[in-house]
This record gives sequence, C-alpha cells and structure tokens, in this order.
Amino acid sequence: GNSVTQMEGPVTLSEEAFLTINCTYTATGYPSLFWYVQYPGEGLQLLLKATKADDKGSNKGFEATYRKETTSFHLEKGSVQVSDSAVYFCALSPLSNDYKLSFGAGTTVTVRA
Amino acid sequence: GAGVSQTPSNKVTEKGKYVELRCDPISGHTALYWYRQSLGQGPEFLIYFQGTGAADDSGLPNDRFFAVRPEGSVSTLKIQRTERGDSAVYLCASSMTGSTDTQYFGPGTRLTVL
Repeated sequence: GNSVTQMEGPVTLSEEAFLTINCTYTATGYPSLFWYVQYPGEGLQLLLKATKADDKGSNKGFEATYRKETTSFHLEKGSVQVSDSAVYFCALSPLSNDYKLSFGAGTTVTVRA
Repeated sequence: GAGVSQTPSNKVTEKGKYVELRCDPISGHTALYWYRQSLGQGPEFLIYFQGTGAADDSGLPNDRFFAVRPEGSVSTLKIQRTERGDSAVYLCASSMTGSTDTQYFGPGTRLTVL
C-alpha cells in the first residue's frame, strides 16, 4: 500500500539554523507529494507540493524536491525563524485516487531565539 | 473568506453513546473529506464526498461510523456505540472540485470517549 515515513522529532534548533526533515515514501506509480504544516492552535495547511519527478516545491523559504530514484521528498529551509515552530507532515496522494492523502506521523520543530 | 469550520471543538462522551460531528466547508467547494488523527500520528483518511454522494468511504473503520452530506454542503460524521479507541481528533477538509485540488483543513473536533 501507500505509506510515508518521516524523520522522528522533536527537533529543536536555534534561529537562523538550517532545517532538514527527511521524508521517504512507498507507493505504486508516481504519487503527488506534499508538505503540510500545523502551527500552534491552527489547522493543517498546505506548505508546498510537487506532482512529478524532479519537481521542486517551494514556499515561505522552504523547499522540497521530488526524487523518484530515492523515493524521497525532504523538506529544507536555510535559515529558520521562531515563527517556523510547528508540526510538519509529509504526505502523498496516489495517482489512482489522487484525492486520498496519506500522511506521515509528523515532526515537531521548535526554533529558539 | 471563511475557512472550514467544525463543531464542536471538543466533545467528551461516555462509552456506548452516539455522537455527531459537524463540518462546514468553504462555500462553493464540492469536495469534502473526513480524516481521523490519533495522538502522535498523522491524519488518516476516512471518507470523501463529491457533492452529496460518498465517492470513497473505504477509510471508515467499521459500520459504527457513518457520514452524510445531504445538500452537498455541510457534512455530519456520526459514530454509534462509541468506544475508547474512537478517541482522536476528527478533521474535515474541503477542496474546490476534488482530485489534486488543494485540501483546506478545519481546526478539528477532539473527541474523548471515557
């Protein structure tokens, strides 16, 4: 079946540090890949997505590249801010049922001033 | 504009009771989804509506769970004979037309079954 495995947290960083959250997936065919973010007290919101191999999704200084050869979609940000403290979820939707999101367990990131 | 809203935000009930959770999607969105998020886990798909009909209910865990969307807007998730294992945050999302459209999530209803 389809599944997503992401780096366990929690992750604690200082402001301006580099952030990487690893995400790998298992799926039949070529799924679409997503990163969702949940800020404290708020609902899940889409951060970025990529729909085919080698696509790069980017938003708010975050980037992730769809790597078919390694079945990965790692999230990166070069210089984090306190406001980036949140829970980050990697997700996929399969080609056949492209509305059906499968999420990883989430990674809690805390950025300290 | 208004986002997806869910009521109640918290629901505490006793084992064996019946509960209803409500979702108001973004106006004009034809697709609506329910997910369940257990503690420390990511959301798990339950059901997808396209308009008034359930296009995919393969994620509903058993026949105690049922969802409706009679007028193609508001949806209600119904759980009969609740069990302690049903305790979770129930998330609703909507999207413009379905498929790969961005899903917009509500804040969730935290259900606790004592």
